[in-house]
Amino acid sequence: EIVMTQSPATLSVSPGERATLSCRASQSVSSNLAWYQQKAGQAPRLLMYGASTRATGIPARFSGSGSGTEFTLTISSLQSEDFALYYCQQYKNWLSFGGGTKVEIK
Amino acid sequence: QVQLQESGPGLVKPLEMLSLTCGVSGTFISSGGYVWSWIRQHPGKGLEWIGYIYHSGTTSYNAPFKRRVMISVDTSKNQFSLKLSSVTAADTAVYFCAREASTGAGYFDPWGQGLLVTVSS
Repeated sequence: EIVMTQSPATLSVSPGERATLSCRASQSVSSNLAWYQQKAGQAPRLLMYGASTRATGIPARFSGSGSGTEFTLTISSLQSEDFALYYCQQYKNWLSFGGGTKVEIK
Repeated sequence: QVQLQESGPGLVKPLEMLSLTCGVSGTFISSGGYVWSWIRQHPGKGLEWIGYIYHSGTTSYNAPFKRRVMISVDTSKNQFSLKLSSVTAADTAVYFCAREASTGAGYFDPWGQGLLVTVSS
């Protein structure tokens, strides 16, 4: 089983600032990594796949990078609607999710 | 657009079977090419993939669930179902159904809104 670890668990950021979220895989997943955003009471929303490809309708302030075992999701200038939970998911070997990072208002 | 909707009882007794259905609209499961999945989320916790099914009925399950899970598909009703046996309080969670974003993708879009299932006597 590939274990996905996200850090930090909580990220406090002011609106307009940059947020950098990390996701680490216990073994290489190549670029088979997706990111999701989840708001309270809602289903996760696909943000990114292939580690760096934005899903349809996702604003350009979201960017993803990395390959192998280390990945980053960057939100360049946080908007009010971006404060949420973020999960990474690998799909290289079966399917597994990280524990999530909560982006909260500082 | 493609929409998914979970349905089923919100309360299940311990050691009984949890049974949920995911109704699909906007596309036909029988068209093929995608996997249809169940994923759960414990209250305040992360996401856990349970398993998936193809339109043909071929399934794949996450190892921790293999002994007590069954996912089935009913293409005539355009829905797929989850059965989880011998539930305990640890199975209390929000259960989501989801479709693979594209053929062979491995990631999910769209998702259903989720259904909270509580295991309690």
